Amino acid sequence: SQQGEEDPQALSIQEGENATMNCSYKTSINNLQWYRQNSGRGLVHLILIRSNEREKHSGRLRVTLDTSKKSSSLLITASRAADTASYFCATAPYTGANSKLTFGKGITLSVRP
Amino acid sequence: NAGVMQNPRHLVRRRGQEARLRCSPMKGHSHVYWYRQLPEEGLKFMVYLQKENIIDESGMPKERFSAEFPKEGPSILRIQQVVRGDSAAYFCASSQSGTGVNSPLHFGNGTRLTVT
Repeated sequence: SQQGEEDPQALSIQEGENATMNCSYKTSINNLQWYRQNSGRGLVHLILIRSNEREKHSGRLRVTLDTSKKSSSLLITASRAADTASYFCATAPYTGANSKLTFGKGITLSVRP
Repeated sequence: NAGVMQNPRHLVRRRGQEARLRCSPMKGHSHVYWYRQLPEEGLKFMVYLQKENIIDESGMPKERFSAEFPKEGPSILRIQQVVRGDSAAYFCASSQSGTGVNSPLHFGNGTRLTVT
């Protein structure tokens, strides 16, 4: 079963607005990562947040992690049409030796020009 | 600095044929992961390999699917006697360190397999 569950499944906003996407997971993690996938392409890594971190920024991206609630959020500020893509959260389990990332089903973000 | 290269980008096979998907990891990366993506679905882990070793194949179907990552050359995902349910996008990712646990995965653009 999927470890990460993103919410909402789909999001449509106007250019310039902020987009907030959420991810919940079930078991303990070492870190949580967010990826973007443009149509017909592979996934591109956006940001990694470790279990002992609460917030991280990268450009227009802000990620938070609440390990007590087993949830994370990805905020894209001042969205652009080019941000239109699918966004996935992925979790890495606490027992890290030879482990792998488990992905959620993704959120489809549409940014209207 | 080339990224992860997958070929072919598109592959069409008739039922019963074999499909071979190739993946060359990023330069300096010795850890390769294969994932499968169905329409409207996330990525499902299939197998994790290091050079000449299969580390975790818990996501691979027991029959018809195999993977290798030889000392020289690309990683190969092989599907024998394909069926329509094998139609999907297959993504390869590589990482430099031990796993994706502590570092990001770098993905190729995938191979889209269509079984007719």
